[in-house]
Amino acid sequence: DAGITQSPRHKVTETGTPVTLRCHQTENHRYMYWYRQDPGHGLRLIHYSYGVKDTDKGEVSDGYSVSRSKTEDFLLTLESATSSQTSVYFCAISDAGLSNYGYTFGSGTRLTVV
Amino acid sequence: QQQVKQSPQSLIVQKGGISIINCAYENTAFDYFPWYQQFPGKGPALLIAIRPDVSEKKEGRFTISFNKSAKQFSLHIMDSQPGDSATYFCAAIVASGGSYIPTFGRGTSLIVHP
Repeated sequence: DAGITQSPRHKVTETGTPVTLRCHQTENHRYMYWYRQDPGHGLRLIHYSYGVKDTDKGEVSDGYSVSRSKTEDFLLTLESATSSQTSVYFCAISDAGLSNYGYTFGSGTRLTVV
Repeated sequence: QQQVKQSPQSLIVQKGGISIINCAYENTAFDYFPWYQQFPGKGPALLIAIRPDVSEKKEGRFTISFNKSAKQFSLHIMDSQPGDSATYFCAAIVASGGSYIPTFGRGTSLIVHP
């Protein structure tokens, strides 16, 4: 997806280990978001950021932390991965109303916790 | 509490038929209603969106119908094609003075048979 890159695309990790997912954008958008997608649950917001060092919790934030030290990068950390965190994680960016309020999503990171 | 209810969860349509996906919301502060299309292995992508001051918006074979009094909106895909097979998400946003964070429906998996 143009302007937004997630890494890694796939990861397998062991229970109890820390994991960091990266989202990088080249659009200079103010807002960045982390979602997880699970069958039957749709897209659920984990954390979001409305500026450098400005972050807030979403509906499923327990067990996750985020950091945004630069406009272009938004990191999601699973501090001690659990099997319930096996999911597909999507990053999204938004210019928050400057255009048509549309989100742009990354291609996702498939995380498996064994 | 599910603020945007989407139905059906899955839908099978023959090529050339009409696909209809419905969403209902509770929060009258929502003032922007986008639909997203997601292909397997990809992130969701903005398909079409509507504001509550219009009752219908059409882009090619895709039409959003909006009923403000009933707090419902729907996506109609005319002349459905196998290439339309994807998961569709409706969403609702408080765009005016809000946080611009979408509330998503849980998604509809559409399969169009050739």
